[in-house]
Amino acid sequence: NAGVTQTPKFQVLKTGQSMTLQCAQDMNHEYMSWYRQDPGMGLRLIHYSVGAGITDQGEVPNGYNVSRSTTEDFPLRLLSAAPSQTSVYFCASSRTGTGGETQYFGPGTRLLVL
Amino acid sequence: GENVEQHPSTLSVQEGDSAVIKCTYSDSASNYFPWYKQELGKRPQLIIDIRSNVGEKKDQRIAVTLNKTAKHFSLHITETQPEDSAVYFCAASMGGGADGLTFGKGTHLIIQP
Repeated sequence: NAGVTQTPKFQVLKTGQSMTLQCAQDMNHEYMSWYRQDPGMGLRLIHYSVGAGITDQGEVPNGYNVSRSTTEDFPLRLLSAAPSQTSVYFCASSRTGTGGETQYFGPGTRLLVL
Repeated sequence: GENVEQHPSTLSVQEGDSAVIKCTYSDSASNYFPWYKQELGKRPQLIIDIRSNVGEKKDQRIAVTLNKTAKHFSLHITETQPEDSAVYFCAASMGGGADGLTFGKGTHLIIQP
């Protein structure tokens, strides 16, 4: 099992550019989510999904879109990048997401928006 | 929504001593409280968790206590070792993972030789 994988590891964007951060898991987990981590802020939930075809907003969803067409993949899209989106992005998954399940994190994508 | 406060932001202890990190949460409906350890440049790793129907849980040198009435929970690390140096995050979740986790801002634990 590769667990939770994320690509790319590092990305530099210019303001206004778009990009997709990829996240995949091979554990057949129903629940997947995206967090951003900023210095001194902990991790904050952006979007989450409880299964294929179902997504919902977290604490800081503005500027980000998600979709979940398969159980394995949960991409995060930035439509028009802004410097405020410079951050480290972590994808996480858990088996069911219904009751205190352990969440497994991917290795992260470090994004710099100039 | 849920709000999690974590203290202290930095904790320096001598090797072999104990370390205690404290968190409070705001939503009495929260029922799952994990602790994560994050080393520099790495992903958060779960080290221990506790559910609201349990008051204390221990795993070797690590223990977590939960006081539902006061809405606070704490991480205790005994006999600290250099490899315990990292940033530790507490978190709270209402309905398990379905509602996601609300994290504290982290504690940088420094183990002095």
